[in-house]
Amino acid sequence: GENVEQHPSTLSVQEGDSAVIKCTYSDSASNYFPWYKQELGKRPQLIIDIRSNVGEKKDQRIAVTLNKTAKHFSLHITETQPEDSAVYFCAASKSNTGKLIFGQGTTLQVKP
Amino acid sequence: DGGITQSPKYLFRKEGQNVTLSCEQNLNHDAMYWYRQDPGQGLRLIYYSQIVNDFQKGDIAEGYSVSREKKESFPLTVTSAQKNPTAFYLCASSINFGNTEAFFGQGTRLTVV
Repeated sequence: GENVEQHPSTLSVQEGDSAVIKCTYSDSASNYFPWYKQELGKRPQLIIDIRSNVGEKKDQRIAVTLNKTAKHFSLHITETQPEDSAVYFCAASKSNTGKLIFGQGTTLQVKP
Repeated sequence: DGGITQSPKYLFRKEGQNVTLSCEQNLNHDAMYWYRQDPGQGLRLIYYSQIVNDFQKGDIAEGYSVSREKKESFPLTVTSAQKNPTAFYLCASSINFGNTEAFFGQGTRLTVV
């Protein structure tokens, strides 16, 4: 069945360093890959997404890369700040079902 | 103020009782979803609805039921058949079904006492 694996489960970095979170998906027909950020006690919110016709997408300090051949995609956060501390979820879906399948989540801690 | 609203924020249930979680959206979205969030397991899909009067089972539907009588509303009932109901429940909606941003409610924390 459809599955998304996310690593690492926890990540601690110093302020100003980069953080990378990786996900792999099982269904080669998946074509939409969003990333959500959930701050403590709050709802998940979309921070960036990528579709399968694109290999990379950037939005200020955040970038996502997609390798369709290897079926993995990654979130890159540069110049991390304490307010980046949160749980990050990757997800994958495909057009004909539309179900969003989420990874297990990564707890990112940015130390001042 | 547009958005998706879940109520209540906290809910306590005695074992053997059914309980219904509310989810309402005024975003005019066709698709709605229910997820369960447990520590270390991400968000797991319980039920989803592509359109009014239609819904489908997700990956962990056993012990849950839903209805979609109105476009704005997608209530989730946690029945006594759900063996481990204590969890954080998130409702979401998207403009249509498939490959679009999902907007989440603030969640309901259900505790069985």
